[in-house]
Order: sequence, then C-alpha cells, then structure tokens
Amino acid sequence: EVQLVQSGAEVKKPGESLKISCKGSGYRFTSYWIGWVRQMPGKGLEWMGIIYPGDSDTRYSPSFQGQVTISADKSISTAYLQWSSLKASDTAMYYCARHGLVGVIRDAFDIWGQGTMVTLSS
Amino acid sequence: EIVLTQSPGTLSLSPGERATLSCRASQSVSSSYLAWYQQKPGQAPRLLIYGASSRATGIPDRFSGSGSGTDFALTISRLEPEDFAVYYCQQYGSSGTFGQGTKVEIK
Repeated sequence: EVQLVQSGAEVKKPGESLKISCKGSGYRFTSYWIGWVRQMPGKGLEWMGIIYPGDSDTRYSPSFQGQVTISADKSISTAYLQWSSLKASDTAMYYCARHGLVGVIRDAFDIWGQGTMVTLSS
Repeated sequence: EIVLTQSPGTLSLSPGERATLSCRASQSVSSSYLAWYQQKPGQAPRLLIYGASSRATGIPDRFSGSGSGTDFALTISRLEPEDFAVYYCQQYGSSGTFGQGTKVEIK
C-alpha cells in the first residue's frame, strides 16, 4: 500500500526550531515529487513547496520562501519541513502529499499524509 | 502568482440535488493543470479530479470536472450524504495555489 506517514503533533514556543517528517512507503520514494501544504485553523489549504527526493531539487511558494526549509533523506524515504525560528502564526496543520506521476513536476497530489498539527504557545 | 477564486463560498443543497462549484483563475492555467479536492472535517484532502476533467482512481462518476483557460467547474450530479464537505480547486501549472474553498452543506 502506498502511504505517507507523518510525525506526531508538536507544541512549541515562539523562537524555537522544529523539523517535522513525512515517511513514504509502498513506492519508489526517489521518483515522485513530494509537497507540503499548510492549513491554519478553520482556514483553507496553502501550497508551500515541493521537493524531488531523487536529487533534492526544491521549489517554494513565494509566500514561504525563506520562511521554511524543505529537505529529504532518500536513504530513509523521508521528507522534512523545518523552521529555524517559529512564530505564533505558524500554528497550523501541515500535510505532506505526493504527486501522482513519476518524475512529473506539474501534477496534482494523489496521496496525502495524515497531517501534523503544530501549535505555538508561549 | 495565479490566484484562484471559488464561488459560492457555501452551497446549501439537499441529497439528490445537483451541485455546481466554480473556480476562476486570475490568469490562464496552462494545459488545464487544474485539480479538485474534497476535505471532510478532521481528514486530509482527497484528490477527485486532475487535468481539469480526469477522475482520480476510485472516484465515483457522479463527480465531473470541466473548463479551460481561466474558468473551471466541478459538478456533482446527485449529492450523496457523504458528499457534504469542503471542496478546493488547485492549479499546478505555475508553482501551485489553492482556491479558498466551497463548503457544500445540507439544506
């Protein structure tokens, strides 16, 4: 079964760093683009960026460029989303999702992780 | 960045009725790189339609997508109880952006 399994919920303080993960299984991890999507409480979906684990080619939304870092470790089939200094406005559910076609950068997300809730509390 | 505007914000319908959701882009979406997703409370989104009109694997044929250029639509021919949810369009021709969503609620 093709699936993406994300790391568990996090409660952090503003200014702290964080790295959340998304592990792929049931398919060739290096061959499909994986993206991250933010959903703030009660709000819609926001496309953050994508990475191709085969060569770590990464593209960011202008809204998130410089605010987060997307990376991947192909040896353990895991993608990451990280922050160096969290802000209160980073409170949200974060989903990872996989493109549907091998190696295709312009594609829809056909497989989604279960989401990781990140809560900022001072 | 391409901005997607969905309308209406909320659609109040009864089971068995037809639902038509609109998604308008601020500029032309190349090669119909337009997808639709369904999201239910507490769940991750699910892909319904890609390429503007192709149904994803396992999606019932009561869901159909249409449109090109800047105007796209998702139609649910006869609403089933499980179809009441929030629907998002997404363009993936230039980076990636989502619309703000349309909630389909029971009337």
